[in-house]
Amino acid sequence: KAGVTQTPRYLIKTRGQQVTLSCSPISGHRSVSWYQQTPGQGLQFLFEYFSETQRNKGNFPGRFSGRQFSNSRSEMNVSTLELGDSALYLCASSDGSSGNTIYFGEGSWLTVV
Amino acid sequence: KNQVEQSPQSLIILEGKNCTLQCNYTVSPFSNLRWYKQDTGRGPVSLTIMTFSENTKSNGRYTATLDADTKQSSLHITASQLSDSASYICVVSYNTNAGKSTFGDGTTLTVKP
Repeated sequence: KAGVTQTPRYLIKTRGQQVTLSCSPISGHRSVSWYQQTPGQGLQFLFEYFSETQRNKGNFPGRFSGRQFSNSRSEMNVSTLELGDSALYLCASSDGSSGNTIYFGEGSWLTVV
Repeated sequence: KNQVEQSPQSLIILEGKNCTLQCNYTVSPFSNLRWYKQDTGRGPVSLTIMTFSENTKSNGRYTATLDADTKQSSLHITASQLSDSASYICVVSYNTNAGKSTFGDGTTLTVKP
């Protein structure tokens, strides 16, 4: 069974640009959540999608957005990039049931210059 | 406010030794507690997940304990190996939704030969 797949693995963007990151969850998982992790910092929750609907959102500015498609694949977008957006962005999927395990992808390393 | 505090922040031990990592939480109501291992630059990998009624859960050389009364959990690593060097993250959920989870900042473990 394939794990959570994130693309791209690494990318470099310039301040002011926008970026789109993609996540393919484990087959059958309908919940996809996104996290930001900066060097030396803990995981910060961005948002969660379940069956194409955003059902939870963290404390991030509106520049951070996401969506989920009917096949459960998800994308997150960051507009007007700032230097502070440089981070590891992790996607995780679960089946959404009680006691569920959240499976993480390997992450997308974003560097904003 | 829901919080998860992990201690120590970092730990250095010699290969073959045992160690215990701590996690204290104020998350309420409690749904489950998970421990993750995150190698540098990689996504977190689930080690254990415990619900309210479970006091202990093992995964190979990793044993997690939970005291729901005192809201404390520990992760005990036996006969440490160099590959155990990683960050260990405690995650406490108050709902089955991924967004209803509070992450600790992690304990960075370094195992030296």
